[in-house]
Amino acid sequence: EVQLVETGGGLIQPGDSLRLSCAASGFIVSNNYMTWVRQAPGKGLELVSVLHRGGDTYYADSVKGRFTISRDNSKNTLYLQMNSLRAEDTAVYYCARRSSSSWYFFDSWGQGIQVTVSS
Amino acid sequence: DIQMTQSPSSLSASVGDRVTITCRASQTIATYLNWYQQKPGKAPKVLIYGASSLQSGVPSRFSGSGSATDFTLTISSLQPEDSATYYCQQSFSTPMYTFGRGTKLEI
Repeated sequence: EVQLVETGGGLIQPGDSLRLSCAASGFIVSNNYMTWVRQAPGKGLELVSVLHRGGDTYYADSVKGRFTISRDNSKNTLYLQMNSLRAEDTAVYYCARRSSSSWYFFDSWGQGIQVTVSS
Repeated sequence: DIQMTQSPSSLSASVGDRVTITCRASQTIATYLNWYQQKPGKAPKVLIYGASSLQSGVPSRFSGSGSATDFTLTISSLQPEDSATYYCQQSFSTPMYTFGRGTKLEI
């Protein structure tokens, strides 16, 4: 069974850093196109970052230069390093896997982890 | 970026009703359009991919149609458990997949 479990969220002050982890089971992270999607309170879904299986990365303009996506193949885990956090980064963060289908939909999601940036 | 516009932003309907939600892309996306359902406190779940293909395990009352820039999600006979927010997503422009703002459906 495919499963994604996010950890590492919490309450943090503006300007601080946080690293989110997404532990995968039932499939190999490095063989897949993995993403982080966030949802601000009462808002819609925003694709934040992408890690291609080949290693290429992508970031939304809102986080470029502050967030870094990576993976640890030995732990089968995806990460999101978030630096210089701002109040507007407050959201539930989901890791999600893009399906192997040529339609590129997200077929597996974690349960989500809350990140709150506030003084 | 390709912008996705959903309408309505919210609607209320009754059990047994037929409901249609629309999604418009700012440029053609062929049929690279996916629909997700999200219930409060839960992760989104894919319902429809490729504009009209039903994801495994999703009830057949859900259907999707459309191509190019205009798409619809239809629920043929609403059930109480269909109360949720529905999002469209374009997967034409890799990697900049974008979501619509969502449609909140109350039963």
